[in-house]
Amino acid sequence: ETGVTQSPTHLIKTRGQQVTLRCSSQSGHNTVSWYQQALGQGPQFIFQYYREEENGRGNFPPRFSGLQFPNYSSELNVNALELDDSALYLCASSLPSGGLDQETQYFGPGTRLLVL
Amino acid sequence: QKEVEQNSGPLSVPEGAIASLNCTYSDRGSQSFFWYRQYSGKSPELIMFIYSNGDKEDGRFTAQLNKASQYVSLLIRDSQPSDSATYLCAVNIYSGGGADGLTFGKGTHLIIQP
Repeated sequence: ETGVTQSPTHLIKTRGQQVTLRCSSQSGHNTVSWYQQALGQGPQFIFQYYREEENGRGNFPPRFSGLQFPNYSSELNVNALELDDSALYLCASSLPSGGLDQETQYFGPGTRLLVL
Repeated sequence: QKEVEQNSGPLSVPEGAIASLNCTYSDRGSQSFFWYRQYSGKSPELIMFIYSNGDKEDGRFTAQLNKASQYVSLLIRDSQPSDSATYLCAVNIYSGGGADGLTFGKGTHLIIQP
């Protein structure tokens, strides 16, 4: 167990709807990254939040957005859901130290989203 | 464009033998390298990270990095049936100007045969 928690565990939505996924980081970790993992693929980086601001973003459209709160927890919001958004959404927390170990990321259990 | 390549397998290894998992990456700026294990239906679990050329050992696991050849591998000694999982290789470039996130390969499915 990493101490990273995510909710909900499973979710079913309809195309065009909006969804919010939540993540609580491991104690002491102030950075949260979100990944999308489609079936049979490796996780793909969506974005990272540090000190409540987006600190980097992968190749995902603007309908993927996020927030980080003062307690370092985070939300991932996806608007106008598409069938291809069906995937496992992973949250990972880390503690940047300014060194090479700043991206040692520890994953939560994930939220499995199905879009119908 | 950053790419990480892994043989998808399945890689079948007898119990007690050494399992060897390989990964190549395209970006010479990659500075940190990670191996994650993922059981079916679960999230990735960190096994090891390595930053310097050479070998790094942790219990039954040894990570090997060769930056000149852009190659990183994971050896699992005395393989156990519980090691059967998908192993994900991930790399990161530390640019100092923001996060690029980890770039993952598609993973190698490892099967340890009792």
